[in-house]
Amino acid sequence: SQKIEQNSEALNIQEGKTATLTCNYTNYSPAYLQWYRQDPGRGPVFLLLIRENEKEKRKERLKVTFDTTLKQSLFHITASQPADSATYLCALGGSQGNLIFGKGTKLSVKP
Amino acid sequence: DTAVSQTPKYLVTQMGNDKSIKCEQNLGHDTMYWYKQDSKKFLKIMFSYNNKELIINETVPNRFSPKSPDKAHLNLHINSLELGDSAVYFCASSQARPSYEQYFGPGTRLTVT
Repeated sequence: SQKIEQNSEALNIQEGKTATLTCNYTNYSPAYLQWYRQDPGRGPVFLLLIRENEKEKRKERLKVTFDTTLKQSLFHITASQPADSATYLCALGGSQGNLIFGKGTKLSVKP
Repeated sequence: DTAVSQTPKYLVTQMGNDKSIKCEQNLGHDTMYWYKQDSKKFLKIMFSYNNKELIINETVPNRFSPKSPDKAHLNLHINSLELGDSAVYFCASSQARPSYEQYFGPGTRLTVT
């Protein structure tokens, strides 16, 4: 069955450093992959989408890579700030347009 | 203006009761979804509707019945509530499938006692 894993449940980094979050998947070939941010008590908020034929996507301080051979996506936040502290969810595009979510990585950026 | 709204935000009820959660989106999207986020924060698709037509119906007990009166609304009715139904339920919407980003509502925290 399809499986999606985000490498760590929690990641603690110092302000100003680059945060790197990993998303691995098995038994699936998604046409695209999305990253969302979720704050406590709120719904997920879309950040970036990357398609299977794209290697890298950037948006301001965010960068996503997609390696369909390794079945892995990396999500980077450069020059991290305490306001970036949240849970980040990786989601694979399903065949019917639905999303298959990972469990998320809780990022804490310390000042 | 709120893009995707849900009511109520909190719902506490006893086992065996029937309850409904309402969802509305003002984004003009064609597709709406219901997700369940359990205590382990795992977010899982339950249903998807496109232009009022059911597209996805994951392995969900038939006590859960979605209803879409129009493409801006997707309500979730739950019969005979069980303890295991306690979770946060999120409504979401997107433009035409596939691959468009989804916009999520604030969630409804359902607690069954």
